[in-house]
Amino acid sequence: DIQMTQSPSSLSASVGDRVNITCRASQNIGRFLNWHQQKSGKAPKVLIYSASNLRSGVPSRFSGSGSTNDFTLTISNLQPEDFATYYCQQSYGNPRTFGQGTRVDI
Amino acid sequence: EVQLEQSGGGLVQPGGSLRLSCVASGVPFSNFEMNWVRQAPGKGLEWISYISSSGNIRDYAESVKGRFTISRDNARNSLFLEMNSLRVDDTAVYYCAILGDWSTSWGQGTLVTVSS
Repeated sequence: DIQMTQSPSSLSASVGDRVNITCRASQNIGRFLNWHQQKSGKAPKVLIYSASNLRSGVPSRFSGSGSTNDFTLTISNLQPEDFATYYCQQSYGNPRTFGQGTRVDI
Repeated sequence: EVQLEQSGGGLVQPGGSLRLSCVASGVPFSNFEMNWVRQAPGKGLEWISYISSSGNIRDYAESVKGRFTISRDNARNSLFLEMNSLRVDDTAVYYCAILGDWSTSWGQGTLVTVSS
């Protein structure tokens, strides 16, 4: 199975900050990488697919970059509604696998 | 846009059974591979089962292999998870999901509680 490792596991930030979350795959996955946001008590929601494509309706302050093994989710100008847990997920092969999550709080 | 509507779940005693359902709309369901993912209280996302678009390939996490069965009915745009021999550590919110690219989508989740 492809292992996905996120860092950091948690971070504290303030409104207006720029935040970077990284995700490393245990093998080359090309650009088959999705980012999900999950708020407490809610289902995950996809933000970014195929490493850098913004899902319709997702604010442009979210962006994704990277390829092969290393990927980054960037949130610029952090807003109060962005405090949540973020997961990366590879869609290169089966089984699909997730990073352990990064909790973003104040 | 893809919509996944889940049903089923609830409270069951250890050793019991439950069936989860997931109905898709907005896309040609038969084109998509489907997954079940669960999240235990306070934990991260755990993939547990996969089924190919035609239904002829299925895969399971070791934690549920031999106890859970995934299936689909493409004529009814429906995905199922039959859960048998449930254990306390199966307690979680269960999500159906498409985990591809542009089509990636999640159901709303359903809580399964295994307790005596």
